[in-house]
Amino acid sequence: QKEVEQDPGPLSVPEGAIVSLNCTYSNSAFQYFMWYRQYSRKGPELLMYTYSSGNKEDGRFTAQVDKSSKYISLFIRDSQPSDSATYLCAMSAASKLTFGTGTRLQVTL
Amino acid sequence: ETGVTQSPTHLIKTRGQQVTLRCSSQSGHNTVSWYQQALGQGPQFIFQYYREEENGRGNFPPRFSGLQFPNYSSELNVNALELDDSALYLCASGTTAGAYEQYFGPGTRLTVT
Repeated sequence: QKEVEQDPGPLSVPEGAIVSLNCTYSNSAFQYFMWYRQYSRKGPELLMYTYSSGNKEDGRFTAQVDKSSKYISLFIRDSQPSDSATYLCAMSAASKLTFGTGTRLQVTL
Repeated sequence: ETGVTQSPTHLIKTRGQQVTLRCSSQSGHNTVSWYQQALGQGPQFIFQYYREEENGRGNFPPRFSGLQFPNYSSELNVNALELDDSALYLCASGTTAGAYEQYFGPGTRLTVT
């Protein structure tokens, strides 16, 4: 079993929709929880990171962490075609980031 | 743009050869990490350097080695290349020894034939 599980998609939504992306994890040692966006042939771009359970908002993005359920989510409001990318969840323990496989998102006009 | 640069962009090598990939971190970032990303997968942690010392290593054999220099640059060296080493190699830099808030470069795509 992988330490971090993420549905690879693809996920296709119309422009303006609310997108929900999720990851589950098994390692209780994870302390920080990150979401990265990766466009094709580019490096991952850090969107948000959180430490504790609860919600963190940044513009159209909201990250949610539930440590008791070992479940994290990223919500994207008013999705745009420019949001089309692969979204990677990542979790850290000490010096190491452990990534999910990524969810490919397509926002259509 | 994160300010993290990597060279070269693409590289083709033959099985058994050795390769050196280079990364230039953002100014002031004293941590650099290297990751391997196979097609369709998330990045896998190779190792981290903090203030020029190795500070954690993933499940990669010793033929993967690295260096970090005082001028915010670093290298990833891979000896005895295997076909499975074909991947995107990513460098990430940050200001703490922890792995949160790391900023990635564009990567080097290595193909081993």
